[in-house]
Amino acid sequence: DTGVSQNPRHKITKRGQNVTFRCDPISEHNRLYWYRQTLGQGPEFLTYFQNEAQLEKSRLLSDRFSAERPKGSFSTLEIQRTEQGDSAMYLCASSFEGQPQHFGDGTRLSIL
Amino acid sequence: GESVGLHLPTLSVQEGDNSIINCAYSNSASDYFIWYKQESGKGPQFIIDIRSNMDKRQGQRVTVLLNKTVKHLSLQIAATQPGDSAVYFCAEINNTDKLIFGTGTRLQVFP
Repeated sequence: DTGVSQNPRHKITKRGQNVTFRCDPISEHNRLYWYRQTLGQGPEFLTYFQNEAQLEKSRLLSDRFSAERPKGSFSTLEIQRTEQGDSAMYLCASSFEGQPQHFGDGTRLSIL
Repeated sequence: GESVGLHLPTLSVQEGDNSIINCAYSNSASDYFIWYKQESGKGPQFIIDIRSNMDKRQGQRVTVLLNKTVKHLSLQIAATQPGDSAVYFCAEINNTDKLIFGTGTRLQVFP
């Protein structure tokens, strides 16, 4: 299966710690997106890349959040000094421009 | 796995019946719409898409209808099966290329 892959699937950490998630997109896709989903809600856009360039960031993405896609392939999303409100499912999607976005199964973050 | 959408609108249908899931979108400038299916503990799975220059598109057992006049989208599933049980989201895209998801609907299929 060559779908979008996210690691880890689950992350439990103490408040104040830093966490990093990884996303490996579908190989031929040039666009990569990060979304956040909380219980009972649809995913909310955080940021996206075209190749290695970060083109848009949501106001949801506070300065504690940073995303990178250094070689235009995999991406990482880092959250510094985690807070209780950061608990959510973090979803990655990829696409070719103008085509449907395909999602990974997400990383579920729990802050103790 | 953890449930997605504990308090979502729910549609209950009997196996073999047709299902219709409705969605109202917000932005009249949106020109691309996608339906996703999300099972518990998994990411959204692409079902079918439609662009604003169309009003109907059919896939395998699924049909999407778009009414731009009233900003309404529907997903029809023929001969609903137990494996169709999930939360369904519509999503719209305008010129910013980010998906804007609507409120999900939980589909429950009973025998």
